[in-house]
Amino acid sequence: DAGVIQSPRHEVTEMGQEVTLRCKPISGHDYLFWYRQTMMRGLELLIYFNNNVPIDDSGMPEDRFSAKMPNASFSTLKIQPSEPRDSAVYFCASRGTEKSSYNEQFFGPGTRLTVL
Amino acid sequence: AQKITQTQPGMFVQEKEAVTLDCTYDTSDPSYGLFWYKQPSSGEMIFLIYQGSYDQQNATEGRYSLNFQKARKSANLVISASQLGDSAMYFCAMSSGGSQGNLIFGKGTKLSVKP
Repeated sequence: DAGVIQSPRHEVTEMGQEVTLRCKPISGHDYLFWYRQTMMRGLELLIYFNNNVPIDDSGMPEDRFSAKMPNASFSTLKIQPSEPRDSAVYFCASRGTEKSSYNEQFFGPGTRLTVL
Repeated sequence: AQKITQTQPGMFVQEKEAVTLDCTYDTSDPSYGLFWYKQPSSGEMIFLIYQGSYDQQNATEGRYSLNFQKARKSANLVISASQLGDSAMYFCAMSSGGSQGNLIFGKGTKLSVKP
């Protein structure tokens, strides 16, 4: 399996622009998570989906952030308008439920976002 | 509220020696899971080891072992025979509702292995 795929790997944009981050989870995984990592706040959960349905979006910082999962193999995280404080590494992770003991989350390589 | 605390921002260890990375947690759930992830300088997050709250024995995975002390609410990671490639950030995380819940991460510990 190719693992969790994220694109782009790096994004540099100007304040006020719309940014769309993309994620393809591991095939067969029914949970998808979006995290943000910064030096100040560490790794924070933004939102997660189960079977394409958003379950908990309490970590989404504000209305400028939105996430969708139109099908089992694709999710987007959109920031509109972007601000310099959104600069961070954004990780997507997926997890299955096939094991009875535990199911670890598999992380994508991350998207490093810089908002100027 | 659930919380993960890693009190060591940075650690040094000599190559081939063992090192313990501390992690304490707080939860009122009787069922929870504890995970350790490694993040090398390249940035990816790599799963290392898991311990369930009801597991009687400490988890082990190769050179990694988890020193689970439930009464103290600690889940320290022990790396034996350190290698230069072990230099990385290490994150402790906890899931609520057993192993299937969300993950809450600690701030991480940066481990540097000296030759």
